[in-house]
This record gives sequence, structure tokens and C-alpha cells, in this order.
Amino acid sequence: AQSVSQHNHHVILSEAASLELGCNYSYGGTVNLFWYVQYPGQHLQLLLKYFSGDPLVKGIKGFEAEFIKSKFSFNLRKPSVQWSDTAEYFCAVNARGGYQKVTFGTGTKLQVIP
Amino acid sequence: NAGVTQTPKFRILKIGQSMTLQCTQDMNHNYMYWYRQDPGMGLKLIYYSVGAGITDKGEVPNGYNVSRSTTEDFPLRLELAAPSQTSVYFCASSDPRLGGGGTQYFGPGTRLLVL
Repeated sequence: AQSVSQHNHHVILSEAASLELGCNYSYGGTVNLFWYVQYPGQHLQLLLKYFSGDPLVKGIKGFEAEFIKSKFSFNLRKPSVQWSDTAEYFCAVNARGGYQKVTFGTGTKLQVIP
Repeated sequence: NAGVTQTPKFRILKIGQSMTLQCTQDMNHNYMYWYRQDPGMGLKLIYYSVGAGITDKGEVPNGYNVSRSTTEDFPLRLELAAPSQTSVYFCASSDPRLGGGGTQYFGPGTRLLVL
């Protein structure tokens, strides 16, 4: 069975600080990886995804993530955060071809202070 | 397209009552899902469906039932509400035929309080 670990539960940053949120997964086969974001009072929406090709993927609003297969990691980064990035961020994984078995991490709450 | 819609947005139930959470998608996706979200616990899969007439249990199915009579609708039924079912419920859909690794599209959620 697959699993996802997000080590940072709550992160507080000042505006313009750099962000890196950790995500590690456990699965023996080929995976698709996602980061979803949930802004306050809103539903989850896709931030970025990796399923093949360049392991450095870019998403919306200046976010990027790097898939490092040897480390089973898919960390999310942003060089300079804004107050509007305050949200909860979820890493998710599914087995390639097993779209019904999506596993989410426990989420990281990011608070950006103006 | 409206995407994934859910009703109601908020509901208070008494212990032992039953209710149905509605979910509809207009994207013709064949996969649909129900999750519950509890603070600090992330999203847990309750049930999923890979097409009309086909449903299967997820990680936390106890106390819930689903049906999928059409591609568009995927209602979640709570038969005997318990305080442990207090949560926020999200419906989602996806379609691997579209590529993209199975990206899920979420509804706005239903907040349920069982007292």
C-alpha cells in the first residue's frame, strides 16, 4: 500500500521568505505525484503534478516541485511567498494506472505574515 | 461547466438520524470519490466509483453507503449518524482517459456536525 508523509504540520513565514515543504511517499512501483492547495474557506485545487518527463515541475502562482526518485520525495518550493499563499497544502500520490487509490498526506498549514 | 457541486453546504444532525450528501459533476468523468477531512488528518477516502453501477470501499467506509446509478451523481448516505462522523466531506471526480495522471477535481465540501 502507498503512503505519504508531510513532516511540516504548520509553517509560519514572513512575506518574501523562501518556502520548502517536504513530502515523502512510500510505494514500490511507478507513481503520479500531486500537490493540492486549499485556501481558507475554499475547496482543494491542483497546484501542480508530476507523472512523467522532467522531474522539476512548475505549477501555478510560482510554485515548483522536484521529484527525486531515489529519495521518494516530491518537495514543494517557492522562492518568495506572499500573504495570499496562506493556505493548507496537501501532497498526494497514486500508483501509475491505479487512479482510484489516491493517498493524501496530512497537510501542511502555511501562514504568511505580512 | 459547474464542475463538481455538493449539497448541502452545512448540516447539523442528531445522533441516530440519517441523511444523504449529494454530489454531481458535469465533466463526464468516470471516476468519483468521497473523502472526509478531519483537522490534522488530511483526507481519508470513504468510497470511490470507477463508473456507473460500480463502487468500492476506501480507507474508512464504516457507517457510510454510496450508489452510482448515473455518471453524474454519486450520493453518500449516512444511515445512523454518530459524533465520530462530524467532519467536512469532499466529493471529487477524475478521468484517466484525459491523461494528466488522474488529477482530481473537488467540490466545495459539506460540513457536517453530529450532536
